[in-house]
Amino acid sequence: GAGVSQSPSNKVTEKGKDVELRCDPISGHTALYWYRQRLGQGLEFLIYFQGNSAPDKSGLPSDRFSAERTGESVSTLTIQRTQQEDSAVYLCASSLKRSGGELFFGEGSRLTVL
Amino acid sequence: DQQVKQNSPSLSVQEGRISILNCDYTNSMFDYFLWYKKYPAEGPTFLISISSIKDKNEDGRFTVFLNKSAKHLSLHIVPSQPGDSAVYFCAANSGGSNYKLTFGKGTLLTVNP
Repeated sequence: GAGVSQSPSNKVTEKGKDVELRCDPISGHTALYWYRQRLGQGLEFLIYFQGNSAPDKSGLPSDRFSAERTGESVSTLTIQRTQQEDSAVYLCASSLKRSGGELFFGEGSRLTVL
Repeated sequence: DQQVKQNSPSLSVQEGRISILNCDYTNSMFDYFLWYKKYPAEGPTFLISISSIKDKNEDGRFTVFLNKSAKHLSLHIVPSQPGDSAVYFCAANSGGSNYKLTFGKGTLLTVNP
């Protein structure tokens, strides 16, 4: 497809379980971002990948969160031992390097932790 | 500490009238500002941006105004159309970086036919 693709679109899990969220960016976009939006809040930056450079992980809220990206392709966000406060929509975005802040977002993965 | 504030959670206007969405920021290092629009069950889409070297940027029906001394920006939509009904997010960053955008909580705009 032409846009950013995320899966799953919805995930319900039990507290303490691990979850993996996947993002397939727009082809040719070297930069990839993860944000999350908790209910009633704005989008929060989580992590940024740019080409083969070391990712900026400064937005990850705890060591239970990790993300990987292979080259300039798919990224996976992993949340270990999920907590109820992890419930949110996790949004992935990609951009051309130096695109002036124009991020192209996917539809998001809605995570509900019971 | 919320660095980008959208104090109006919702706004309702009549079709054909002007919609004005407001955004305030506290971080004086911010030098690039963006508006994103979000429909339900979709990701946000980029709408318009402005650099701190300008005080106005216009794109069709959408104009963004920046008042640096007041740390305030606004998005004007004129004329408003029912298809403009969406959540509008204000975002900012600093140093020309493309990432680590700081977003406001959003304003739900409803344009009534």
